[in-house]
Amino acid sequence: AQSVTQLGSHVSVSEGALVLLRCNYSSSVPPYLFWYVQYPNQGLQLLLKYTSAATLVKGINGFEAEFKKSETSFHLTKPSAHMSDAAEYFCAVSLIQGAQKLVFGQGTRLTINP
Amino acid sequence: KAGVTQTPRYLIKTRGQQVTLSCSPISGHRSVSWYQQTPGQGLQFLFEYFSETQRNKGNFPGRFSGRQFSNSRSEMNVSTLELGDSALYLCASSYHDLWGGIYEQYFGPGTRLTVT
Repeated sequence: AQSVTQLGSHVSVSEGALVLLRCNYSSSVPPYLFWYVQYPNQGLQLLLKYTSAATLVKGINGFEAEFKKSETSFHLTKPSAHMSDAAEYFCAVSLIQGAQKLVFGQGTRLTINP
Repeated sequence: KAGVTQTPRYLIKTRGQQVTLSCSPISGHRSVSWYQQTPGQGLQFLFEYFSETQRNKGNFPGRFSGRQFSNSRSEMNVSTLELGDSALYLCASSYHDLWGGIYEQYFGPGTRLTVT
């Protein structure tokens, strides 16, 4: 069965510091991977997606993620954190070709310290 | 383009009652998926509809059901509500092609259901 593990339910960084949110997946076939962000009392917003094209994927708000098949990882990074980045981040893998079903990790809450 | 809309945004119901939630997808999107989000279980897939047919279903009891209309709007229904059904219910829509490609899902703001 395909699954996603996010290491660290809570990550805290200083404003201007590097943001690194970890995601490992388990999949028997080449996966489609996504990162979503959720602000309080809102739905999920797509940050970026990996669909077997380039392994380094750039998303919105300065975020990017690198797909590493050998490590089964898809970590999310941002060079310099901004206060507005404080939110919960979810990594997800898409299952079943032809049907839209996402399996999510447990989420990582990102806190930015001034 | 307007985003995914969900109504109502907030609901308070009593145990044993039933509830219907509504979702309007982005124009042109024919696939609609539903998810339940709770602090304990996180985000869990409920079901997906395409062309008025349920294509995939998550591991939820039969009290949870849904349907999709010809205009791609979708509803989900929960009957005989339990306290544990209190959650944020998220709807997502996505594009669909004839070759079964996987596309990103766009989420609505959710409906916050509280069961007392």
